[in-house]
Parts: sequence; C-alpha cells; structure tokens
Amino acid sequence: GAVVSQHPSRVICKSGTSVKIECRSLDFQATTMFWYRQFPKQSLMLMATSNEGSKATYEQGVEKDKFLINHASLTLSTLTVTSAHPEDSSFYICSARTSGGFTGELFFGEGSRLTVL
Amino acid sequence: RKEVEQDPGPFNVPEGATVAFNCTYSNSASQSFFWYRQDCRKEPKLLMSVYSSGNEDGRFTAQLNRASQYISLLIRDSKLSDSATYLCVVNDYKLSFGAGTTVTVRA
Repeated sequence: GAVVSQHPSRVICKSGTSVKIECRSLDFQATTMFWYRQFPKQSLMLMATSNEGSKATYEQGVEKDKFLINHASLTLSTLTVTSAHPEDSSFYICSARTSGGFTGELFFGEGSRLTVL
Repeated sequence: RKEVEQDPGPFNVPEGATVAFNCTYSNSASQSFFWYRQDCRKEPKLLMSVYSSGNEDGRFTAQLNRASQYISLLIRDSKLSDSATYLCVVNDYKLSFGAGTTVTVRA
C-alpha cells in the first residue's frame, strides 16, 4: 500500500533553534499533504494543509511564520519549526491522500517527536 | 460543541469480550467517516472506512446512524493486540479527529 515516510522520528533541540521535518510520499504523488500536532492523550490537531506549488493553508491559531511549510514537489513537504521553544515540544505527524477530493485514503507518516530543551 | 466527540474510556475488557463505543459528530452534512487505530507513540493507521450505513471487517463492525449523528465501532472476540486508541475521523471539507477511545484488552 501507499507509504508516507517522515524524518526525523525524534529530535531534541535547544530553545531558539529551528528544526525541519520532512514528509515524503514514497510510491504515489501527493498534491496535498497535511500537518498535525498531537499532545499526550489528545487528538490530532490539524495545523495546515500543504499544497504542492502553492502556499500552505494554515488553521486558525497556527502561526505561519513560526511553522514554515514548503511543498516543493509532489512527493515532499517540509515543516520547519522556527525559533523553537519548550511549548513547541509535541508529536508532529504528516499525512497524504492517495487521490483527490475527500474519498482518498489518508496515510500517515511515522511521526516526529520534538523535544525542545 | 466539538466537531467530533468520543468517550475517552478507557475500556478495560477481558480477552474474548465484545466492546463497543461511539463517536458523535456535529455536522449533519458529513458524508464519510473513518476509524483509525493508534498505538502508543505511533502514527494512526486506517482500520475501517464508513461511507454508508456501516461496514464490517472480520471482528470489527462500524455502523453509521445519520439521524442521531454518530458512528460506532464494535470489536468482537477481543484480542490482546486490539489494545490501542481508536480515533474517529469525520471527513468534511477537512478531516476532524476525535480525541480517541482507549481500549485495553487483558488476559
């Protein structure tokens, strides 16, 4: 089946640094990818919808200057957490659909656990 | 009212038992729904899609009640490996996730 790869799976960084997380669709083209964050015992919260070749669409309350999303190709989207702070520590997950519209199955990356010291 | 609400549980059941739980959604126009399974510290994985009245896959049965705006998931003959958090996902103009229902199957 379709596979979405996310890297790195775990990252620890100092406060004030920037961290980049990559999300790749390995065997299909994903015109749209999604980025979520998940705090312990809470649901996945959609942060932004990443569209290939155009600007990402951010959900209300998500700072676009802090969470930079780039979707330069049909198989790669990146999320950069700029000037990370301890409150940004979370589980970040990307996902991609195998087809357009709302009926394609959604496949998730393995997630990236960010810890900001 | 939240877009998607789930009973967080936990549901602690013995092996072989049947466990069922619901997920309510607020948008009456929602057309499709999913149940995802998420193991601790792992990414969610699709368990079942629900497009019409329901769906059945082996020991798992999902049902959709449009009048009352909820979907349910029933697990028969529970296995230890069924222990996980089950996420309800409602597919509108965006995907909305429930907070998940935790199921623990004990030997």
